[in-house]
Parts: sequence; structure tokens; C-alpha cells
Amino acid sequence: QQQVKQSPQSLIVQKGGIPIINCAYENTAFDYFPWYQQFPGKGPALLIAIRPDVSEKKEGRFTISFNKSAKQFSLHIMDSQPGDSATYFCAARGATNKLIFGTGTLLAVQP
Amino acid sequence: DAMVIQNPRYQVTQFGKPVTLSCSQTLNHNVMYWYQQKSSQAPKLLFHYYDKDFNNEADTPDNFQSRRPNTSFCFLDIRSPGLGDAAMYLCATSRDLVGTGRETQYFGPGTRLLVL
Repeated sequence: QQQVKQSPQSLIVQKGGIPIINCAYENTAFDYFPWYQQFPGKGPALLIAIRPDVSEKKEGRFTISFNKSAKQFSLHIMDSQPGDSATYFCAARGATNKLIFGTGTLLAVQP
Repeated sequence: DAMVIQNPRYQVTQFGKPVTLSCSQTLNHNVMYWYQQKSSQAPKLLFHYYDKDFNNEADTPDNFQSRRPNTSFCFLDIRSPGLGDAAMYLCATSRDLVGTGRETQYFGPGTRLLVL
């Protein structure tokens, strides 16, 4: 119940493509869903986050789609660039205020 | 700029030799976390401080300890590092507001620990 399942494990897209990373959860007590971007050798950086009362949130080229009934949320990166190549982690915040991380998706955007 | 700072960025220690990693923050957040992240894995929470209250995760080995002398600083002590403790150690902070709960966690750049 405390797990967040993330897919795919890795993803390769061409520049300008729209990579989509999916996450699913079971615990309906989760109340906050951030996405983190991590470059090699760096700490995770908050990219965008959503609360379950909103179905979509967009910040720049990054969009979260949230489906509360299906307990799924996804990250879309519009007009992807080689500089977006990184590992992306979804997460969910539970009642204890801890973050439960997904397993990560390694994204490669080819020029 | 307000931020989370970790020192050193790289630390090499010998098997069994105690090591201390440090974290400082200028965000004035009341919650500080320590995570361990191994290659190609998600960060794993070791423990966190809510103000001065220490909260250990059930599966964190006794080999890992922490100190928070004040709001700005937090230390991770590894008493007897083993080869399996080689990892990136991440510090994070968040603010917990009465009535609204704990806000987003902000991570430092991490300390890469190598155990020889």
C-alpha cells in the first residue's frame, strides 16, 4: 500500500518528442505528488508537483496529468531537449509526511 | 539564494573508519532528512529531524547516527563504514506548517561516499 510503481524504467526519445512517464499508487491517503529530476552526481531537484484535487498542472514544458479514480499520475515533457536527459522520480506524500519514491525513469533525449 | 548545502561533495574513507557528513540550510526549514541513494535506485530515507525530535526509520542500521545541533545544521555519522555503505548521501529539508502539513522537500547536492 505504501508503494509507488513507476514505468518505464528507461526511455529514449528524439529531440522534440514527448516522453511520458507513468506512476501508480494504492494508498488513497497520499495527498501530494511531486516529480523530481536528477542529473548524474547531483541531488534530486523538484520539477513540478500536484495535489489530488487537480487533474492537470502545467509548468513550462512539463505537465502532470492526475487521475484520482485510477490512482495514476503521469509526467509529460513537451518539446523534449537533450538537456532534459536525466533520471525522473515520481513520489507521493503519505499521512506520516514521508515521501514514497517511485523507482525512477532514466530518460535519454537524442539530438 | 536560500539553499541546502552538503559538505564534502566527495568523501573517501577506509573500511571501519568513522566518517561524518554535514548538511546546512539557509531555508530556515524545521524538518531535515537524510537519505541514502545507491546507483540506479531511488533515495532511501534513513531518518529525519522534526525540529529537535529525531525519527529513525525502522530498517536504518545502528551504524548510522545523526545529530542536529541547531536549526541550520544536521550531521550524518557512520560509525563503522562497510563496503555496502558506499553511496550518495542526500540531505533534504522541508517546512511543516500547522494546519497545512509538510511542504515540499528540497534536496542538497549530495555527498558521494567511497569506502576502501
